[in-house]
Amino acid sequence: DAGITQSPRHKVTETGTPVTLRCHQTENHRYMYWYRQDPGHGLRLIHYSYGVKDTDKGEVSDGYSVSRSKTEDFLLTLESATSSQTSVYFCAISGSGQGAVGYTFGSGTRLTVV
Amino acid sequence: KQEVTQIPAALSVPEGENLVLNCSFTDSAIYNLQWFRQDPGKGLTSLLLIQSSQREQTSGRLNASLDKSSGRSTLYIAASQPGDSATYLCAVTPWLKAAGNKLTFGGGTRVLVKP
Repeated sequence: DAGITQSPRHKVTETGTPVTLRCHQTENHRYMYWYRQDPGHGLRLIHYSYGVKDTDKGEVSDGYSVSRSKTEDFLLTLESATSSQTSVYFCAISGSGQGAVGYTFGSGTRLTVV
Repeated sequence: KQEVTQIPAALSVPEGENLVLNCSFTDSAIYNLQWFRQDPGKGLTSLLLIQSSQREQTSGRLNASLDKSSGRSTLYIAASQPGDSATYLCAVTPWLKAAGNKLTFGGGTRVLVKP
């Protein structure tokens, strides 16, 4: 998607290993988000950022950490991957205005933990 | 805690028929509601955004209505085409700006339009 890229697109990892997913934006948007999508649960917010080094937890943050050292990059780390973290992860960005106008999603990262 | 529900979970219609997708939410303190489309293996694309003060929003063949007091929104797609086959998700943003524009999603409705 224009302005936002996720890497890698696919990853298979072993239980217990750390994994980092990267989200990069070129829109200079203030807000960045990590969601996971699972059958039967829809999309759920993991963590979000409202500025450089400013982050907060979402609905399903256990087992995940994030970092944002630059406006354009938002990293999601699975500290010790578990099978329950097998999912599709989406990054999203939005402007600083209220109401999520202009919400843009990346194409997703499919993570399999074996 | 806000909960968003979409019924039905899946829908199959012949080409040309109108589509009606439903979304309900439990907390009426929303800033706005969005409808997204998701194609298999892809990200989400915003279709329509309705502010909490609005009753409806239209774009081409798409029309979305919002009844905030009853916690309901409906997405109408007129004269469906096979290219409309996708999963449609609704999501709400909280009224409080301090909540950071976090979206709460419904589970989606998977639509198949048969030629």
